[in-house]
Amino acid sequence: QLQLRESGPGLVTPSETLSLTCTVSGGSITSSSIFWVWVRQPPGKGLEWIGTIYYTGATYYSPSLKSRVAISVDTSKDQFSLRLNSVTAADTAVYYCAKTHSSGYFYFDRWGQGTLVAVSS
Amino acid sequence: QSALTQPPSASGSLGQSVTISCTGTSSDVGGYNYVSWYQQYPGKAPKLVIYDVSERPSGVPDRFSGSKSGNMASLTVSGLQAEDEADYYCSSYAGSNNFVFGTGTTVTVL
Repeated sequence: QLQLRESGPGLVTPSETLSLTCTVSGGSITSSSIFWVWVRQPPGKGLEWIGTIYYTGATYYSPSLKSRVAISVDTSKDQFSLRLNSVTAADTAVYYCAKTHSSGYFYFDRWGQGTLVAVSS
Repeated sequence: QSALTQPPSASGSLGQSVTISCTGTSSDVGGYNYVSWYQQYPGKAPKLVIYDVSERPSGVPDRFSGSKSGNMASLTVSGLQAEDEADYYCSSYAGSNNFVFGTGTTVTVL
């Protein structure tokens, strides 16, 4: 059964770059028609879609984060990554990676456990 | 794009029903039949319970149902059980490969 797991630093300094990786296991990141997604959730608040990537490298970003975010994929490692630059305290959140269903681009049917990233000096 | 609007809280007695609304615009909820709902327990990842407005993933009890009218979608949980107490978030496709989530609703089982 396909699983996702986020990894990366739990603490980032303000103005620096947040970098996270999602490792896919039990399946291939090159699976046809599956897109890979980043979502975040500030403590005590709601979910926010960050962006989506296909294994070909095609990316789609939230308009509110587009100027600061980059998502990439490494098919040799079955991983995709998130970079968010110029972070502030407002970027403190639990970051989730997720996937779409192979027959449904418009919903996220499997999620990683999430990783908390705090932005603080 | 703005977050979809959900009531902060909803409640119902054991065995009764609760309905959660999710209000958007013609650019998201009203424009596409791509509304999904997620259940989230404290400290846990969200879990998909409804997709494409009213479809249930395998393994989700048929007590969960979804609908949409105009710019508002709804999630109904019938026959409430203690384990249904959680946060619920709606999500909608918003065009141009964008997605938007709702503000979230905490469901309490009385």
